[in-house]
Amino acid sequence: GAVVSQHPSWVICKSGTSVKIECRSLDFQATTMFWYRQFPKQSLMLMATSNEGSKATYEQGVEKDKFLINHASLTLSTLTVTSAHPEDSSFYICSARRREGRLADTQYFGPGTRLTVL
Amino acid sequence: AQSVTQPDIHITVSEGASLELRCNYSYGATPYLFWYVQSPGQGLQLLLKYFSGDTLVQGIKGFEAEFKRSQSSFNLRKPSVHWSDAAEYFCAVGAPLSNDMRFGAGTRLTVKP
Repeated sequence: GAVVSQHPSWVICKSGTSVKIECRSLDFQATTMFWYRQFPKQSLMLMATSNEGSKATYEQGVEKDKFLINHASLTLSTLTVTSAHPEDSSFYICSARRREGRLADTQYFGPGTRLTVL
Repeated sequence: AQSVTQPDIHITVSEGASLELRCNYSYGATPYLFWYVQSPGQGLQLLLKYFSGDTLVQGIKGFEAEFKRSQSSFNLRKPSVHWSDAAEYFCAVGAPLSNDMRFGAGTRLTVKP
């Protein structure tokens, strides 16, 4: 159990276009999902916390108008990179939080999406 | 806020040898601790986690980790490494009822034949 999918797994787009990435929890409901960005050979950088039915919470330095997050249901969150530029090229990973007991939560991660902006 | 340190950026071990990856955390109360593994170009897979109770935690793929409060550590171990264990390993610390989870910088494991 606790499977999280991401789509697409990779995408190449032209500068100035927008790209949408989907994150789905396949076998559990997730009121909270997270979006991370990972640069080569580095750790994960939390971009934002996505809450079902409410606005996302963005980390300091992350442009909320550029990285639009929508958590439309308990199993789906989307990240839209608007007007993408080459510097937005990166590996984007989502995770979904599953409640596993009193006070205990675990994040389960998707396989990631490689975005390349030309 | 909590923080995590993985002192070793890169470790090389021979196949069949034992492995220990270090993780030190900083948190004022009992933390939630996790080890994840990431293969190249992939997402993170949960190896094991500690919330409370027995301080020796068993995970998948033959891994185990021990929570040592006195040393603020949660080191990952495996008695005999396989070539397929070569990957990046991340230690993470979370807190009860909090969205905030902090990841270490990661340790890259290379396995020699």
